[in-house]
Amino acid sequence: NAGVTQTPKFRILKIGQSMTLQCTQDMNHNYMYWYRQDPGMGLKLIYYSVGAGITDKGEVPNGYNVSRSTTEDFPLRLELAAPSQTSVYFCASRPPSGRNYRNEKLFFGSGTQLSVL
Amino acid sequence: GESVGLHLPTLSVQEGDNSIINCAYSNSASDYFIWYKQESGKGPQFIIDIRSNMDKRQGQRVTVLLNKTVKHLSLQIAATQPGDSAVYFCAENVSGTYKYIFGTGTRLKVLA
Repeated sequence: NAGVTQTPKFRILKIGQSMTLQCTQDMNHNYMYWYRQDPGMGLKLIYYSVGAGITDKGEVPNGYNVSRSTTEDFPLRLELAAPSQTSVYFCASRPPSGRNYRNEKLFFGSGTQLSVL
Repeated sequence: GESVGLHLPTLSVQEGDNSIINCAYSNSASDYFIWYKQESGKGPQFIIDIRSNMDKRQGQRVTVLLNKTVKHLSLQIAATQPGDSAVYFCAENVSGTYKYIFGTGTRLKVLA
């Protein structure tokens, strides 16, 4: 199992450019999440999905879009990049709740470091 | 990346000593808590978790303590090793939601 895979690892964008951050998981997890991490701050939730075809906003969704056409993939789209979107982005997933509550922990990818100049 | 955690509180401990990292959680309706370790340039890695019906849980060299009265969580690392140097985050899951709230993190430095 590769777990949660994010690409690219690093990217520099110019203001106004667009890009898609890719996230895929091979654990058949229903729930997937996108977080951003700014220096000295905790993780802030951008969007999440509880299954294919279902997405919902988190704390900081402005400037981003997501889609969930398959269980495996949860891409994050930046349409008009702004300097405020300079951050490290993490994708995470977890299986549905079961009798074993340990299934509720999040599994993280290694992150995408994005700079908007 | 390298810029993560520039202004985080830092705990420095001697190699071999025990470490205690604290976290105040925000929501009294949270019923599941997780500790994560994040090394430079990597994503958070699961360390240990605990449900609100427990006040202590032990793993290998790690113990999590939960005090619901004051909404406080702590992570104890026994015999701290150089490989324990990282940023540690607590996360809480509010009962009935799919969302997780993360603390700002504490940097642990292990001194040789």
